Amino acid sequence: AQSVSQHNHHVILSEAASLELGCNYSYGGTVNLFWYVQYPGQHLQLLLKYFSGDPLVKGIKGFEAEFIKSKFSFNLRKPSVQWSDTAEYFCAVNANQAGTALIFGKGTTLSVSS
Amino acid sequence: DVKVTQSSRYLVKRTGEKVFLECVQDMDHENMFWYRQDPGLGLRLIYFSYDVKMKEKGDIPEGYSVSREKKERFSLILESASTNQTSMYLCASRDKSHQPQHFGDGTRLSIL
Repeated sequence: AQSVSQHNHHVILSEAASLELGCNYSYGGTVNLFWYVQYPGQHLQLLLKYFSGDPLVKGIKGFEAEFIKSKFSFNLRKPSVQWSDTAEYFCAVNANQAGTALIFGKGTTLSVSS
Repeated sequence: DVKVTQSSRYLVKRTGEKVFLECVQDMDHENMFWYRQDPGLGLRLIYFSYDVKMKEKGDIPEGYSVSREKKERFSLILESASTNQTSMYLCASRDKSHQPQHFGDGTRLSIL
């Protein structure tokens, strides 16, 4: 069975600090990888996705993620965070085949102080 | 833009009641999903459906059932609600497997 592990439960940063959130998954086959964000009181929104091609993907709001197949990792990065990035971030994986569902990590809460 | 609509934002029910949570999507997506979201546990998959009248169990199906009679609608049913089913319930839909899932606003369900 697939599983997703997010290393940090809660990250606290000051504005302009750099961000890296870790995500590892367990699945031996081809996968599709996603990062979602949930701002306080809002629904889940897609930040970025990877399913093939360049392993460095860029998403909305200056976020990027790198897929490292050998490490089964898909870490999220942002060079300089803003107060408005305060949110919960979820890494998710699904096998690249029909009839599969996204499996989510437990989430990382990011708090950015101004 | 894909729209996934959940019938209620907040719902309060009593222990033992049969509870129906409704979800409708407007993009003719094949796949629909029900998750529950709890603090510290992330999103856990309850059931999903990849076609009309088809369903698959997720990681935590116990105490739940689902119905998909029409492509656009996916219902989650709590057969006999219990207090440990108090949670945020999220519905999602998706077209193909490499496409992202689109989420509704969620239903915060309290079982008293």
